[in-house]
Amino acid sequence: EPEVTQTPSHQVTQMGQEVILRCVPISNHLYFYWYRQILGQKVEFLVSFYNNEISEKSEIFDDQFSVERPDGSNFTLKIRSTKLEDSAMYFCASSVDRDSPYSNQPQHFGDGTRLSIL
Amino acid sequence: AQSVTQLGSHVSVSEGALVLLRCNYSSSVPPYLFWYVQYPNQGLQLLLKYTTGATLVKGINGFEAEFKKSETSFHLTKPSAHMSDAAEYFCAVSLQAGTALIFGKGTTLSVSS
Repeated sequence: EPEVTQTPSHQVTQMGQEVILRCVPISNHLYFYWYRQILGQKVEFLVSFYNNEISEKSEIFDDQFSVERPDGSNFTLKIRSTKLEDSAMYFCASSVDRDSPYSNQPQHFGDGTRLSIL
Repeated sequence: AQSVTQLGSHVSVSEGALVLLRCNYSSSVPPYLFWYVQYPNQGLQLLLKYTTGATLVKGINGFEAEFKKSETSFHLTKPSAHMSDAAEYFCAVSLQAGTALIFGKGTTLSVSS
């Protein structure tokens, strides 16, 4: 079964540094997402991406964050200048099969990247 | 705005006992409803999803959920718990395909022998 893959599984970065988290969504999907889960808290939506542009974003997704689909397979989340509070598990997800775009389709999640800011 | 409430941050059951994890949602329109499970150090795996017209939804690993519109609830159940069911369970809602999932705070299920 196709799956969402994320790299790296764990990223350690100094505060103030830029970090790029990478994801390969399921190949036939149209929508891509980033979520984060701070330790002990619930999963929070960051941003969704469709047709090469941001379709929805939350208040968390400020100017320090950006997303990109640099080629036909990768989807990246960049944090420009990391802060201690950016430490969290970041999940990528994808959904909506292009062959059946109108059915109730769930989002499929990767295993996440644990980001630790020192 | 949508919101999801999961009653009970931690539920403990004995192996073979009934599992009941509660989820209530608030939404101005009928939402898409999901249950996800997260095993330690893993991502979120879909357990089941609500499909319009069906009140009882069956998922993987013997789990099912009942949609009650009048109570705005989507509680997750399993007749007989297994040790391998120990994990964190998240209820989630979205208004339509391709939009943000709003998650509850999660319920940690512990299963003792």
